Amino acid sequence: TQLLEQSPQFLSIQEGENLTVYCNSSSVFSSLQWYRQEPGEGPVLLVTVVTGGEVKKLKRLTFQFGDARKDSSLHITAAQPGDTGLYLCAGPFYAGNNRKLIWGLGTSLAVNP
Amino acid sequence: GAGVSQSPSNKVTEKGKDVELRCDPISGHTALYWYRQSLGQGLEFLIYFQGNSAPDKSGLPSDRFSAERTGGSVSTLTIQRTQQEDSAVYLCASSRRTGNTGELFFGEGSRLTVL
Repeated sequence: TQLLEQSPQFLSIQEGENLTVYCNSSSVFSSLQWYRQEPGEGPVLLVTVVTGGEVKKLKRLTFQFGDARKDSSLHITAAQPGDTGLYLCAGPFYAGNNRKLIWGLGTSLAVNP
Repeated sequence: GAGVSQSPSNKVTEKGKDVELRCDPISGHTALYWYRQSLGQGLEFLIYFQGNSAPDKSGLPSDRFSAERTGGSVSTLTIQRTQQEDSAVYLCASSRRTGNTGELFFGEGSRLTVL
């Protein structure tokens, strides 16, 4: 069972379309991070959301943290081929005395010219 | 260096051989992580080093896997008696933050193929 469920798993769209991908959990997270991984590269942090209800914008990307801090979404406006990649969400999770960074399995996005 | 450096970038080995993968983190980053990623999949946590604390080895899949971090800097991940299911990209990341929650800076990974 994944603590962070990402959907959809795969998404293929045409350039110029809008899209939203989701990162959901039944657990509360103090913060969530979104990373993008391009083929042959390591993931790169896009944003960290820390406040319930928070909305952050990064050019054409809009990130939202749910009011209950159990879910987050990433909306891309007018997608471009350069947006192609694997979008991963991650959040800190406490298990006993241990605090781990938990990862979703990612949404693989392909934007076709 | 400016970023996390991993070597080799590609490694092809025969089943049963040992391999060593190296990670040179960003200078000053006290936290270092190893992850494994199969084709197109998410990240599988392997091991976490934080300063001089005992490493969190809870993600290592078997006793064939081990890692060390010398002098709080460079880390080596060793896989003994490699198996075909070990084929994956091994990613190293470092972070300034403590507590296993800060922004991670990743290397480009070492792609391991076991024939």
